Amino acid sequence: NAGVTQTPKFQVLKTGQSMTLQCAQDMNHEYMSWYRQDPGMGLRLIHYSVGAGITDQGEVPNGYNVSRSTTEDFPLRLLSAAPSQTSVYFCASSYGDGGSGNTIYFGEGSWLTVV
Amino acid sequence: AQSVTQLDSQVPVFEEAPVELRCNYSSSVSVYLFWYVQYPNQGLQLLLKYLSGSTLVESINGFEAEFNKSQTSFHLRKPSVHISDTAEYFCAVKSPTGRRALTFGSGTRLQVQP
Repeated sequence: NAGVTQTPKFQVLKTGQSMTLQCAQDMNHEYMSWYRQDPGMGLRLIHYSVGAGITDQGEVPNGYNVSRSTTEDFPLRLLSAAPSQTSVYFCASSYGDGGSGNTIYFGEGSWLTVV
Repeated sequence: AQSVTQLDSQVPVFEEAPVELRCNYSSSVSVYLFWYVQYPNQGLQLLLKYLSGSTLVESINGFEAEFNKSQTSFHLRKPSVHISDTAEYFCAVKSPTGRRALTFGSGTRLQVQP
C-alpha cells in the first residue's frame, strides 16, 4: 500500500506562475484534504472533499483551486503563485465522515517556494 | 468554532527525563482530540487519540495523554524520553459533526539532548 502520495516533493516557482500539486491515495478513502504548514502556525486547512465531485473551502482557500473527479485523486492548483504561498503543503485522507474519529493519513509533504 | 493552543513552541529536555507537552482547546461542542508527531522532513503520523471512554489514552511508544474536560486540556506526557523522540508534536481537535477537518495547534518542538 502506497498510502497518500504527493508530487512533487520540492518546487520553486516564480511569482505569477501556476502549478498543480498532485495527491493520490490508494485506500479508497472518501475524505481528502489539503493543508499548508507555516512556522508557528501549525497546519491550516485549504480545501477538502467528502467524495468525488464534492469539494468545499477550508480556512485559507484564497489563491487555490481543487477538483475531485475520482476517489483516488485530489489535485491542488495554484492559480497565480505569490510569495505568501511559500509553504509546506500536506495532503490527507480518511475513511467515512468526521463523526467517527477515523484516523487521518497524511502524505509526506510538498515544499513550495515562490520567488 | 474550535481552536487549539499549544503553550510551548519548544521544549528542550535531557534524555531519560520526563516531559509534558501542553495542549488546551476551545470548543462549544464536544470534540475528538488527537496528538500527531512529525519527524524531520516527514509527514504527520497519528500518535494517539481520544474519542470517548477512558480519559487516559496511550500510544505504543510510551506516550500518554489525559483528557480533562473541566480544564479543556489534553496534555501529552512521557515518563522517560529518548533521543528518537525528537520531533514536532501537534495537538488537534475535530468536531463529531459539522466540517470534517482537524483544527491544529501551532506545534511544539521537542528537543531531546544527550
